[in-house]
Amino acid sequence: NAGVTQTPKFQVLKTGQSMTLQCAQDMNHNSMYWYRQDPGMGLRLIYYSASEGTTDKGEVPNGYNVSRLNKREFSLRLESAAPSQTSVYFCAGGLGGVYNEQFFGPGTRLTVL
Amino acid sequence: GESVGLHLPTLSVQEGDNSIINCAYSNSASDYFIWYKQESGKGPQFIIDIRSNMDKRQGQRVTVLLNKTVKHLSLQIAATQPGDSAVYFCADSPGTGKLIFGQGTTLQVKP
Repeated sequence: NAGVTQTPKFQVLKTGQSMTLQCAQDMNHNSMYWYRQDPGMGLRLIYYSASEGTTDKGEVPNGYNVSRLNKREFSLRLESAAPSQTSVYFCAGGLGGVYNEQFFGPGTRLTVL
Repeated sequence: GESVGLHLPTLSVQEGDNSIINCAYSNSASDYFIWYKQESGKGPQFIIDIRSNMDKRQGQRVTVLLNKTVKHLSLQIAATQPGDSAVYFCADSPGTGKLIFGQGTTLQVKP
């Protein structure tokens, strides 16, 4: 039982390149989330998926797209990376609803040059 | 708008002392609150949660207090240990299926 896994752990991109961050959870959670964390700041929600087949924008969605491939997998895509997207990205799975405890993956550290 | 804030960005305590980390929230409709611990290079890890119909909840060496009147919650860590050194985040759930995170307090434990 691995919980939430993310790949890759580290990535360096050049401005304008594209890439997809992968996330998978084996906890049978309906909801999944993508956050970014910048130095000295809390977690900001990029996109989330309340259930399989649905996705919604969070606080900072610009420059990103997501795909909820199935109940287990939720990917985040950067179509044309920018230096402002340099950050640590966390995926989480959660119970959804009001009592929404979320379980986080180990993160992907992305640098855009 | 919604916000969750912590009163101090950094807290330094002596090993063995008790630590208190504070958090204020703005949404009076929030029904659920969580404290997370994040160690360097890792993802946030659940510590303890509390529902809005409770004032206090205890775990192993940790206690969360909720004061809905002033929209304040705190995390108390008893007998702080070096392994408690981390960034601590509070988060609240306003019933939208999302969590709103504060900016975090760094706890430094001095030997």
